[in-house]
Amino acid sequence: DAKTTQPTSMDCAEGRAANLPCNHSTISGNEYVYWYRQIHSQGPQYIIHGLKNNETNEMASLIITEDRKSSTLILPHATLRDTAVYYCIVPSGTYKYIFGTGTRLKVLA
Amino acid sequence: GAGVSQTPSNKVTEKGKYVELRCDPISGHTALYWYRQSLGQGPEFLIYFQGTGAADDSGLPNDRFFAVRPEGSVSTLKIQRTERGDSAVYLCASSPQGMAYTEAFFGQGTRLTVV
Repeated sequence: DAKTTQPTSMDCAEGRAANLPCNHSTISGNEYVYWYRQIHSQGPQYIIHGLKNNETNEMASLIITEDRKSSTLILPHATLRDTAVYYCIVPSGTYKYIFGTGTRLKVLA
Repeated sequence: GAGVSQTPSNKVTEKGKYVELRCDPISGHTALYWYRQSLGQGPEFLIYFQGTGAADDSGLPNDRFFAVRPEGSVSTLKIQRTERGDSAVYLCASSPQGMAYTEAFFGQGTRLTVV
């Protein structure tokens, strides 16, 4: 089973920040949190990952709580092209992902 | 150069037939994965290769499904006696190491339809 829980769906206005939460209360000390997204009819695309510290790249920011039991993916200025299903994943063991159903983000014009 | 390539992009087959789905990973990636995705669901793990060997095939649903990676590069997923329930998008991914350590790169998938 997936080690994460996410809301089923969210809406966000274009140009606003999209904040996607994820709970991973059973995460172990050395397990990373990964975020991927899947745009309709495409394969999942890597966004960002982190262990303890907050991370930022050209796509997004990842905020991980101090107890590491939850995290938030932030898309700072959402565009219509960010409409997708977003998956928060804690790898199962050392080598594979177990996907949940993700959050369906809809960016509204 | 290119990312993970999967062929064919679409495959329609009749119930009971045999099909092969091909995955060309990114050059140099030792880890290769197959996932299956049904409509409205997240991808479901099928099998993981590290090099030529299947390190974890626990996700294969039954013995009609088999996958190989004979030279540690290209992989083929084989499905015998296809059933309508096998209809799904089959995704392949590769990574330099296991997914827990580095990002994985997914192909666009093969949409299999069994009629």
